[in-house]
Amino acid sequence: AQSVTQLDSQVPVFEEAPVELRCNYSSSVSVYLFWYVQYPNQGLQLLLKYLSGSTLVKGINGFEAEFNKSQTSFHLRKPSVHISDTAEYFCAVSDTGQGFSFIFGKGTRLLVKP
Amino acid sequence: DTEVTQTPKHLVMGMTNKKSLKCEQHMGHRAMYWYKQKAKKPPELMFVYSYEKLSINESVPSRFSPECPNSSLLNLHLHALQPEDSALYLCASSQVDSSYNEQFFGPGTRLTVL
Repeated sequence: AQSVTQLDSQVPVFEEAPVELRCNYSSSVSVYLFWYVQYPNQGLQLLLKYLSGSTLVKGINGFEAEFNKSQTSFHLRKPSVHISDTAEYFCAVSDTGQGFSFIFGKGTRLLVKP
Repeated sequence: DTEVTQTPKHLVMGMTNKKSLKCEQHMGHRAMYWYKQKAKKPPELMFVYSYEKLSINESVPSRFSPECPNSSLLNLHLHALQPEDSALYLCASSQVDSSYNEQFFGPGTRLTVL
């Protein structure tokens, strides 16, 4: 069975500092991986996705993530954060050939301080 | 058009009321989803429709009744709700014949049950 673990429930960071939000997954088959962002009182917006090919994936708003199959990780990074990046970030996994199976992690709240 | 719209944005209802939530997309997606999201939690899948037929019902109480009248519309009918049903209700859509099941989310309806 699939599972997604986001190791940090909250990550505080100062503005213009780099940040990494961690995500680990478990699955017995090939997976597709996603990061979504949710701003207060809004829906989920796709930041980036890994489907195949290059393990370094670039997304919107300056975010990137690296797929590491041996460590079953898909950590999200940004070299310099802004106050406006304060939001909830969800990692999600979709198993190949599993129909509508789409599993979310518990989320990490990124809190950017001035 | 890559947008999923939801109405209303906010809804307050009593436990004896009947109300409906509406979701619409024009991306040609033939899979549509309802999720429930409590504060500081990830979205929880409630229902999945594929080609306008109910494919998944995650043991949701019968006071929630989904309906998919056509390929662009998804409704969630509410009746005799409880205060613990207060949450953000998210609609999403995706292609059915895609192996990676990328989901596009609407902004949500914030429901308060008094």
